[in-house]
Amino acid sequence: LAKTTQPISMDSYEGQEVNITCSHNNIATNDYITWYQQFPSQGPRFIIQGYKTKVTNEVASLFIPADRKSSTLSLPRVSLSDTAVYYCLVGGYNQGGKLIFGQGTELSVKP
Amino acid sequence: DTAVSQTPKYLVTQMGNDKSIKCEQNLGHDTMYWYKQDSKKFLKIMFSYNNKELIINETVPNRFSPKSPDKAHLNLHINSLELGDSAVYFCASSHDREIYEQYFGPGTRLTVT
Repeated sequence: LAKTTQPISMDSYEGQEVNITCSHNNIATNDYITWYQQFPSQGPRFIIQGYKTKVTNEVASLFIPADRKSSTLSLPRVSLSDTAVYYCLVGGYNQGGKLIFGQGTELSVKP
Repeated sequence: DTAVSQTPKYLVTQMGNDKSIKCEQNLGHDTMYWYKQDSKKFLKIMFSYNNKELIINETVPNRFSPKSPDKAHLNLHINSLELGDSAVYFCASSHDREIYEQYFGPGTRLTVT
């Protein structure tokens, strides 16, 4: 399974757009990129998943360049409630749903 | 309606005891998981069951034994508890074994004294 590298922490202010980049240089051809969010004292929550180019849902956008060696989670106009740890995961559909969580990025949104 | 529920939410016990954590999902999913999150916040998969069949069994001490009476339930039994077992244990489920959108429960904080 491909290893991921993310910044340990990030700070932002309410209303700003936040971009969290994840490096996954050893991503395999059949690997997908998945992002989870975890609030304190809660279980992780699925945010978004993609394979290439751009994916957007009601919560976030995921940008994946052509070489797929990195990906960027974009959170538009963050609020205080977006303060959480964000995990980038890479894995394929032949691994029985095995998620490998890295260290994650602790995002702190300030007023 | 709670999608994935765990009981108890908190569990404080002494070394050497045996304890169980229960998990139930009402999503109709086929696959369920147990994860352990240690004090450094690293989240690691322990086990996975698909339709009551064990499909992922990570390097976990054999004091940990999962049991799935039906596909909506996955329980975790821990024998001879040790200090190092203190952590938050999360149960999760997904539609099937190949889906990376997993739904996590609220967690069980286990403290071994």
